Amino acid sequence: DIQMTQSPSSLSASVGDRVTMTCRASQSISRYLNWYQEKPGKAPKLLIYDASSLQSGVPSRFSGSGSGTDFTLTISSLQPEDFATYYCQQSYSTPHDFGGGTKVEIK
Amino acid sequence: EVQLVESGGGLVQPGRSLRLSCAASGFTFDDYAMHWVRQAPGKGLEWVSGISWNSGSIGYADSVKGRFSISRDNAKNSLFLQMSSLRTEDTALYYCAKDMYRYGLLLHDVFDIWGQGTMVTVSS
Repeated sequence: DIQMTQSPSSLSASVGDRVTMTCRASQSISRYLNWYQEKPGKAPKLLIYDASSLQSGVPSRFSGSGSGTDFTLTISSLQPEDFATYYCQQSYSTPHDFGGGTKVEIK
Repeated sequence: EVQLVESGGGLVQPGRSLRLSCAASGFTFDDYAMHWVRQAPGKGLEWVSGISWNSGSIGYADSVKGRFSISRDNAKNSLFLQMSSLRTEDTALYYCAKDMYRYGLLLHDVFDIWGQGTMVTVSS
């Protein structure tokens, strides 16, 4: 199975900050990497798929990059509604494991 | 409106069985692979199982293999998860999720639509 490791596990940031989080796969997954946002009491929401494709309706301040084993999710200017937990997920092979998450908190 | 609505969760004793259902609407259900993803209280997301559009490909997480069985009824736009030999560690919120790509065969699945989840509590 492919192990997904996210870092950091949590971070504190202010509105307007540029925020970056990473996801590392235990083996190459090409560009089969997706990012989801989760807020308390709500279902996860797809943000980025295939490493860098922005899901329809998602603000352009979200962007993804990377290939192989190392990937990055960037929020260019953090907004109040962006405080949430972010998960990466590999879709290279089953089981489609998720990373442990990065919680973005208010500084 | 594209919608997934899970049902069937509840409190069950260890070793017993439970069947979850997911009712789909707003899209051509039989064109898409479907999945179950769970989240234990205070924990992260865990992919549980997936089934291709035509039921020809099925996959399970190692943690549930041999105990859980996924199926679908395309005529009724419904997805199911039969859970048996339940353990306390199966306690979680179970989400139904749709694959983004048509005719997926459990390769390169992206979960673009999620239900609100149904809670399963395994406890004596």
